[in-house]
Amino acid sequence: AQKITQTQPGMFVQEKEAVTLDCTYDTSDPSYGLFWYKQPSSGEMIFLIYQGSYDQQNATEGRYSLNFQKARKSANLVISASQLGDSAMYFCAMREDTGNQFYFGTGTSLTVIP
Amino acid sequence: ETGVTQTPRHLVMGMTNKKSLKCEQHLGHNAMYWYKQSAKKPLELMFVYSLEERVENNSVPSRFSPECPNSSHLFLHLHTLQPEDSALYLCASSQDLMTQNSPLHFGNGTRLTVT
Repeated sequence: AQKITQTQPGMFVQEKEAVTLDCTYDTSDPSYGLFWYKQPSSGEMIFLIYQGSYDQQNATEGRYSLNFQKARKSANLVISASQLGDSAMYFCAMREDTGNQFYFGTGTSLTVIP
Repeated sequence: ETGVTQTPRHLVMGMTNKKSLKCEQHLGHNAMYWYKQSAKKPLELMFVYSLEERVENNSVPSRFSPECPNSSHLFLHLHTLQPEDSALYLCASSQDLMTQNSPLHFGNGTRLTVT
């Protein structure tokens, strides 16, 4: 079974609007971390935001926030006030405490329309 | 220079060639990784090194051979590759393997084309 599922291959958002990118995960570990990365066309994967499984509050980093719903095993990324530079691929990832690796989803391509 | 640096950015090689990908991190991290990124597929972990010791080898064909001479440098030696090996190869580092909230820091990747 896939550890990380991103069901939206592509998304469009109007500039200055907010957008939510979906991510669900599958794990039986009680302790894990969730990460979001941005990959522009240049190729580099840029770390955006982190949420720990025991964190009581949703993580926020500037215009990025994570809508963490533990019971639903979802960790959606919310980008507020979209900018043209936000156009990129976005990847959700998970790291379990018991393993050495990060599991990545297939990504969502976000296009911001002027 | 900061972050994670990968060279070359682009590489075209024939199936009989031998080449190497280089990765260098200036973050003082203890763990380094090689990932393969193919279109429409999740990133595939290839190798993990912690303090120069390989701790993960995800059933990668022997035509890919990693080398980690120290905690700042990581190589991926390539020989007799197949066209299906064409992909973006990403190097990453993290603080260590124990700190759960430590993210991966990636390089820009090497776009490999096997002809």
